[in-house]
Amino acid sequence: EIVLTQSPGTLSLSPGERATLSCRASQSISSSYLAWYQQKPGQAPRLLIYAASSRATDIPDRFSGSGSGTDFTLTISRLEPEDFAVYYCQQYGSSFGGGTKVEIK
Amino acid sequence: EVQLLESGGGLVQPGGSLRLSCAASGFTFEDYAMHWVRQAPGKGLEWVSGISFNSGRIGYADSVKGRFTISRDNAKNSLSLQMNSLRVEDTALYYCAKDFGGGSYGIPDYWGQGTLVTVSS
Repeated sequence: EIVLTQSPGTLSLSPGERATLSCRASQSISSSYLAWYQQKPGQAPRLLIYAASSRATDIPDRFSGSGSGTDFTLTISRLEPEDFAVYYCQQYGSSFGGGTKVEIK
Repeated sequence: EVQLLESGGGLVQPGGSLRLSCAASGFTFEDYAMHWVRQAPGKGLEWVSGISFNSGRIGYADSVKGRFTISRDNAKNSLSLQMNSLRVEDTALYYCAKDFGGGSYGIPDYWGQGTLVTVSS
């Protein structure tokens, strides 16, 4: 089973700053099979990115995904107040990463 | 509008059984794979199980394999999860989720609000 490791565990940033979140796989996976989610307290997760770099419906273009092989990145170009949340990566049909919390500095 | 309504959660003793259900509406249920994903209190997401649109492909996390059974009834637009031999570590909010694409299960895109399962003596 492929294990996804997300880093850092917590990212403390200010609104307007750039956020860079990492997801590393224990074995190479096809970039077509990597997704990113956002979860806010008390809410169900929301799909942000699929196939490593494609934005889901209604997702703002400040969110972008990249990467291949074992290293994938979610970038939020300029943090808005509503972007402070927990972010997860997931391999299709399989496990999630442990999550990265983006908190207000 | 996609709606997923989970039910069947509750308090159960270790070793007991519980059956979760999910009523789906707002999309053509028979065309989409479905998932169960859980989240223990204060913890991250854990993919539990997935089932293809026609039940031809089914998968489970290692942590539940042999104890949980996923099924679906396309005529009733419903998804189920039979959970046997429950353990304390199965305590979590269980989400029903629709798959992003058709066919086999890949990633969820729409989620219900979850049903809470508590395993405790």
